Amino acid sequence: GAGVSQSPSNKVTEKGKDVELRCDPISGHTALYWYRQRLGQGLEFLIYFQGNSAPDKSGLPSDRFSAERTGESVSTLTIQRTQQEDSAVYLCASSLGELIPRGDTQYFGPGTRLTVL
Amino acid sequence: GDSVTQMEGPVTLSEEAFLTINCTYTATGYPSLFWYVQYPGEGLQLLLKATKADDKGSNKGFEATYRKETTSFHLEKGSVQVSDSAVYFCALKGGGGNKLTFGTGTQLKVEL
Repeated sequence: GAGVSQSPSNKVTEKGKDVELRCDPISGHTALYWYRQRLGQGLEFLIYFQGNSAPDKSGLPSDRFSAERTGESVSTLTIQRTQQEDSAVYLCASSLGELIPRGDTQYFGPGTRLTVL
Repeated sequence: GDSVTQMEGPVTLSEEAFLTINCTYTATGYPSLFWYVQYPGEGLQLLLKATKADDKGSNKGFEATYRKETTSFHLEKGSVQVSDSAVYFCALKGGGGNKLTFGTGTQLKVEL
């Protein structure tokens, strides 16, 4: 079946512009996650959705970052007034969620590479 | 908070050599532990996992044992191949949460 998909695969923007990144999770997965991977670093957690609600937003680095999820499916991560330090690969993952809480495997999309000039 | 420490790379080995990539963790409760792999130009893939102490995860010839007494989850493979060249990430999922906490990744390069 189809895996997690993300769009666009690459995004180049100018400092100060807003960007929207999209994630389509695996069908039937109730949990959805956003992570960020800056060059040469590990993945940083940003936000977790269970269904359409976000019980953990603790990783969002500033109020310029927001995310929403509709219909227990597609999620959009929005970055307002982008800064150069926002340049990174943004990864989305999905999982079965609370149905199988322990050892629940997260499946990752290919990522969106964001470059802020 | 939770954290994962894994050995710095890059690691360069000859084909058929033995591989160990060290991973230790700090977590509250009883975490689940994972190894993910990122092949060149591809996305992150789950390699193996273990959900409780003394469990051994294995896949594609790789193994890792969940050692609670040493808070470790070292990745091993008896004979590496050129196709194993990738970046390997150790990660944990805390007992009370859903997010994954990752190490910084270890780049492995296998040469003929």
